[in-house]
Amino acid sequence: DIQMTQSPSTLSASVGDRVTITCRASQSISNWLAWYQQKPGKAPNLLIYKASSLESGVPSRFSGSGSGTEFTLTISSLQPDDFATYYCQHYDSYPYTFGQGTKLEIK
Amino acid sequence: QITLKETGPTLVKPTQTLTLTCTFSGFSLSSTGVGVGWIRQPPGKALEWLALIYWDEDIRLSPSLQNRLTITKDTSRNQVVLTMTNMDPVDTATYFCSHRDDILAANFDFWGQGILVTVSS
Repeated sequence: DIQMTQSPSTLSASVGDRVTITCRASQSISNWLAWYQQKPGKAPNLLIYKASSLESGVPSRFSGSGSGTEFTLTISSLQPDDFATYYCQHYDSYPYTFGQGTKLEIK
Repeated sequence: QITLKETGPTLVKPTQTLTLTCTFSGFSLSSTGVGVGWIRQPPGKALEWLALIYWDEDIRLSPSLQNRLTITKDTSRNQVVLTMTNMDPVDTATYFCSHRDDILAANFDFWGQGILVTVSS
């Protein structure tokens, strides 16, 4: 199985900050990576697919990059609605594993 | 508009079999490239992918759970059913179903609200 490792596990930031979350795969997954945002008690919401493609309706302050084994999710200017938990997931081969999550907290 | 909803028991006893139904609308599971997956999330923990079934009956299961999982589809009723045998308290989780489309390659782009299943005697 391909292991997905996110860092950091927790991130404290302020409104307006630029933040970056990293996801590393244990082997190359090309660009078969998705990023999700999840708020408490809610289903995950797809933000980015194929590593860098912005899902329809997602604000442009979210961006994704990377290929192979290292990927990043960047929020260019944090908004109050962005404080949530973020997960990466690969879909290169089965099983489709998720990272352990990054909780983005208000500083 | 694509919607999905999970239904089933919210409490099961250890060793029992769990049967969850995902009822969806806004797409057809007979369309090329379309699939429905199941993902679960124990309280306070990360997401775990469980299973996928595609329009062409291709089925993929999590290797760690494949001996306990069955996934089927009823295209005419727009439903996907997940069965998990020999339930244990560690299987307590919110179970989500989700849509994916291989052609769009967007992975899980629409999700149900989830159903919390508690395993307890």
